[in-house]
Amino acid sequence: KAGVTQTPRYLIKTRGQQVTLSCSPISGHRSVSWYQQTPGQGLQFLFEYFSETQRNKGNFPGRFSGRQFSNSRSEMNVSTLELGDSALYLCASSSQGAANTEAFFGQGTRLTVV
Amino acid sequence: GDSVTQMEGPVTLSEEAFLTINCTYTATGYPSLFWYVQYPGEGLQLLLKATKADDKGSNKGFEATYRKETTSFHLEKGSVQVSDSAVYFCALSPSGGNNRLAFGKGNQVVVIP
Repeated sequence: KAGVTQTPRYLIKTRGQQVTLSCSPISGHRSVSWYQQTPGQGLQFLFEYFSETQRNKGNFPGRFSGRQFSNSRSEMNVSTLELGDSALYLCASSSQGAANTEAFFGQGTRLTVV
Repeated sequence: GDSVTQMEGPVTLSEEAFLTINCTYTATGYPSLFWYVQYPGEGLQLLLKATKADDKGSNKGFEATYRKETTSFHLEKGSVQVSDSAVYFCALSPSGGNNRLAFGKGNQVVVIP
């Protein structure tokens, strides 16, 4: 079956703009999590959605937001972009969201803010 | 809060050498532990996992044992290949049934023919 699909793969934005990233989980998966990966901070958890509800949130400013639709697809939005938001954004899906359930990652969206 | 610590720096070794990457964790309760691998330009792939103390996860010749007494989950492989060159991340998922993974910084592994 198809894996986790993230679009777009690459994005270049200007400071102050906003951006929306999309994630389509594996069919049947109800949990979607988002992570930011940078060389300096590594992989950091942004938030998790399960059945359209935000279940967990990491330590990121309110400029970072997300949502999940009834078909489990998820979007994350970053407003008022800063240079430091340049990163690889990874989405992961899992079937139940339980602690020992495997998370499947997409290839990520590479965001560059100039 | 929950955290994962991996040994500093890249790891460079020759083909067929023994690989060890150290991982220790801090967490309350009984987290699940994972090793993920990331190839260039790709997302993360689950390599192996362990969900309770003394469990041994294994896959593709890699192994790691969940040691609660030392809060460790070291990754080992007896004979590496050039195709094992990648970045390896240790991660934990807190007990309590959620998907909030905490990752270590990762280790770049370079295997030289």
